[in-house]
Amino acid sequence: SQKIEQNSEALNIQEGKTATLTCNYTNYSPAYLQWYRQDPGRGPVFLLLIRENEKEKRKERLKVTFDTTLKQSLFHITASQPADSATYLCALDKYGGSYIPTFGRGTSLIVHP
Amino acid sequence: EAGVAQSPRYKIIEKRQSVAFWCNPISGHATLYWYQQILGQGPKLLIQFQNNGVVDDSQLPKDRFSAERLKGVDSTLKIQPAKLEDSAVYLCASSRSGTGNYGYTFGSGTRLTVV
Repeated sequence: SQKIEQNSEALNIQEGKTATLTCNYTNYSPAYLQWYRQDPGRGPVFLLLIRENEKEKRKERLKVTFDTTLKQSLFHITASQPADSATYLCALDKYGGSYIPTFGRGTSLIVHP
Repeated sequence: EAGVAQSPRYKIIEKRQSVAFWCNPISGHATLYWYQQILGQGPKLLIQFQNNGVVDDSQLPKDRFSAERLKGVDSTLKIQPAKLEDSAVYLCASSRSGTGNYGYTFGSGTRLTVV
C-alpha cells in the first residue's frame, strides 16, 4: 500500500543551526512533492513545491531536495529561529485521472533560543 | 487576495446529531478539497471537487458524510449521524487548477468535538 513517512518524534535544535526534516514514501510515483508549515490551531501553509524531474529547490532560508530513486525528500531550514517552530508536513501529488494530494503526518520542529 | 473562509470555527455536538461545515474558497480557484485531520495525524482527503463536479471521494464515509459544491463556489460538508471518532479538525482547501502546481491554500478549519 502507499505510505508517506515523516519522523513522528519532534526535532529539537538550537537557534542558528540547520534543521533537516525527512519525508520518505513507498509505492508512489508522485508528480509533485510539497512542504507545508502548520501552527497549532491553524491550517497548513504552503512553503515549497518540487517536481519529479527537479533535484533541488530553494526559497530564502528553505531548501528542498527530491530523490525519486531513494523515494525521499529532505527539507532544510538554515539559520533556524524560534519562530520556525511548527509542524512541517510533506504532501505528494499523484496522478490518477487527476492530481490527488496525500499528506504525511508531519514532524514537529522546536527551535530553542 | 482573501483566504479560504470556513465556519464555524468550533462545534461541539452529541453523538448521533448532525452537523454542517461551510467553506468559501479563494475567488477563481476551481478545485476545492475537504480534509479531516485527527490530532497528531496529517490531513486526510475526504473529497475533491473540480468546479461543481466530484473528482475523488474514495475516502468519504458515504453512509454518514455528504458534501456538495453548488455553482462551483461555496461548499458544505455534512455529517449525519455523528460518531465519537468524527472528532477532528475539518479543513477546506482550494487551488487554481487542481494540479498542486501552486500549492493548496487552506482555511483555519472547523474543530469538531463529538461527545
